[in-house]
Amino acid sequence: QVQLQESGPGLVNPSQTLSLTCTVSGASVSSGSYDWIWIRQPAGKGLEWIGRIHTTGSTNYNPSLESRVTISIDTSTNQFSLKLSSVTAADTALYYCARGDQWFDYWGQGTLVTVSS
Amino acid sequence: DIVMTQSPDSLAVSLGERATINCKSSQSVFYSSNIKNHLAWYQQKPGQPPKLLIYWASTRESGVPDRFSGSGSGTDFTLTISSLQAEDVAVYYCQQYYSTPPTFGQGTKVEIK
Repeated sequence: QVQLQESGPGLVNPSQTLSLTCTVSGASVSSGSYDWIWIRQPAGKGLEWIGRIHTTGSTNYNPSLESRVTISIDTSTNQFSLKLSSVTAADTALYYCARGDQWFDYWGQGTLVTVSS
Repeated sequence: DIVMTQSPDSLAVSLGERATINCKSSQSVFYSSNIKNHLAWYQQKPGQPPKLLIYWASTRESGVPDRFSGSGSGTDFTLTISSLQAEDVAVYYCQQYYSTPPTFGQGTKVEIK
């Protein structure tokens, strides 16, 4: 069974960089034809796709965030990571990692990140 | 970006009755090369991540009860719960994967009347 688990700081200062890691078990981030995804959900609101990294290492980002986002893969630890720079209060959200190249079939439980000083 | 608009924002349905959720895309999500509609539906219960219910607009994910069904084509889609159960109380989202970035509807909250 594929499982994903997000980890990282729950509080980030404004203008700093948000860094999260997703640990994958039951599947390899470096094999198969899957994308590994980051999605976020502000409290009480809908879902926003942040970006994806393919098992080949190629990436795509939401144009609304592209200038601030980096997604990377670490095959040695079977993890993938999100970095979002120059954060503001608008980046406060529940951040999910997920798997899928079109629809998203496996999700982590999510981690709440608050941007505040 | 393709804008996904769901209606209604919320609905209350009696147990055992039918619930119908609509999703409209700002442009067609039908891909002629594979003759498929690039649309998925998710269910999100409080405190949980979204759960995939349906993809290709009408294909149920493994393990999803058959009271859930999806229909529609082009720009107009429907998720139907044929006989609402208590465990179906949730927010439901549609998502298009026709173009990048994938986008979601704003969600429809289903409650028991």
